[in-house]
Amino acid sequence: DAKTTQPNSMESNEEEPVHLPCNHSTISGTDYIHWYRQLPSQGPEYVIHGLTSNVNNRMASLAIAEDRKSSTLILHRATLRDAAVYYCIHRRGGSNYKLTFGKGTLLTVNP
Amino acid sequence: GAVVSQHPSRVICKSGTSVKIECRSLDFQATTMFWYRQFPKQSLMLMATSNEGSKATYEQGVEKDKFLINHASLTLSTLTVTSAHPEDSSFYICSARDPQGYGYTFGSGTRLTVV
Repeated sequence: DAKTTQPNSMESNEEEPVHLPCNHSTISGTDYIHWYRQLPSQGPEYVIHGLTSNVNNRMASLAIAEDRKSSTLILHRATLRDAAVYYCIHRRGGSNYKLTFGKGTLLTVNP
Repeated sequence: GAVVSQHPSRVICKSGTSVKIECRSLDFQATTMFWYRQFPKQSLMLMATSNEGSKATYEQGVEKDKFLINHASLTLSTLTVTSAHPEDSSFYICSARDPQGYGYTFGSGTRLTVV
């Protein structure tokens, strides 16, 4: 199974940027990099995904290293509602391929 | 993005009984759905891939006779936990690929407690 490495936990202050790192050294050329987050007692929520180029959406930005062996999820201004477990996953290309979750990073946001 | 609705959100059942959990894709058709299980303070573990009109594909170590999956239509997959025991108590979550390209969408989860 595809494996990613993330810090167990990170802490941030409200309204400050947060950079969540992820290593995926075994990624193959057709694997997409996905990020999801999960609040307590809820299903995961899609955040962003990309293949090679950096990606931006209304929730976050995804910076992908040139060799694709690592990526960084950037929350530009953390809010208390961003406190969650963030999962970085690399998924084989093609429709309906399964997602395999690692342990993720627990993000704490301080007021 | 697409929405997946999961019911019930919570269920308590007696040991030895069976429980059915439903997962519906509300505004799209899902030929494939995924079922996960999550124990407290752990990550999601994929149990099986549900395929419309055919047998589900189970992950290694998951008992197919205990966790029955039916995907009879393009918008509904069900997971039945048969002869439930306290060790089956967990948070069960379904998922499907968002056809609009926003990754995968997840249900809100079902908290199963077996007493």
